[in-house]
Amino acid sequence: AQSVAQPEDQVNVAEGNPLTVKCTYSVSGNPYLFWYVQYPNRGLQFLLKYITGDNLVKGSYGFEAEFNKSQTSFHLKKPSALVSDSALYFCAVRADPGYSTLTFGKGTMLLVSP
Amino acid sequence: NAGVTQTPKFQVLKTGQSMTLQCAQDMNHEYMSWYRQDPGMGLRLIHYSVGAGITDQGEVPNGYNVSRSTTEDFPLRLLSAAPSQTSVYFCASSRTGPGGYTFGSGTRLTVV
Repeated sequence: AQSVAQPEDQVNVAEGNPLTVKCTYSVSGNPYLFWYVQYPNRGLQFLLKYITGDNLVKGSYGFEAEFNKSQTSFHLKKPSALVSDSALYFCAVRADPGYSTLTFGKGTMLLVSP
Repeated sequence: NAGVTQTPKFQVLKTGQSMTLQCAQDMNHEYMSWYRQDPGMGLRLIHYSVGAGITDQGEVPNGYNVSRSTTEDFPLRLLSAAPSQTSVYFCASSRTGPGGYTFGSGTRLTVV
């Protein structure tokens, strides 16, 4: 069975500082990894994905994520946080091949203070 | 291009009532799924479908029914609503392969 762990319920960071939201995963075979963001009372928006290739993946709104196979991690990062980045972030994993289901972590609330 | 459309956006049911949450996509995606979102629990998979006529159970299927008669539509039926089914429900679709999902805007359901 596949699973995702987001060890922090909440991450607090000051505007302008770098941010990291942690994610580790467990899956049989090659992983497809995703980050989604959810703003209050909205649906989930796709941020970025890792399928294969370069371990550093760049996505929307200046976010990036680093895939580390040996540590089974896929941490979300941004060099300089904005107050508007405050939202709920979900990491998700899907195993190769593509018929498999997408499993989500419990989510991490990111709060960026002015 | 509408993407994934869910209706209704809000619904209040009485315990024991039944209802159907509608989901439609216009992207010709083979894969569709239903999730429920509860505070502190992330998104949990209820049912999914890999194509018309094919459905399967996810992590929390009890109390829910699905069918997939067309590629476009994937309705979720609550057979006899219970307060434990109070949640936000999301429908999602994708192509087969390594891509991500496209989500609908959600249905907020309250069972009293």
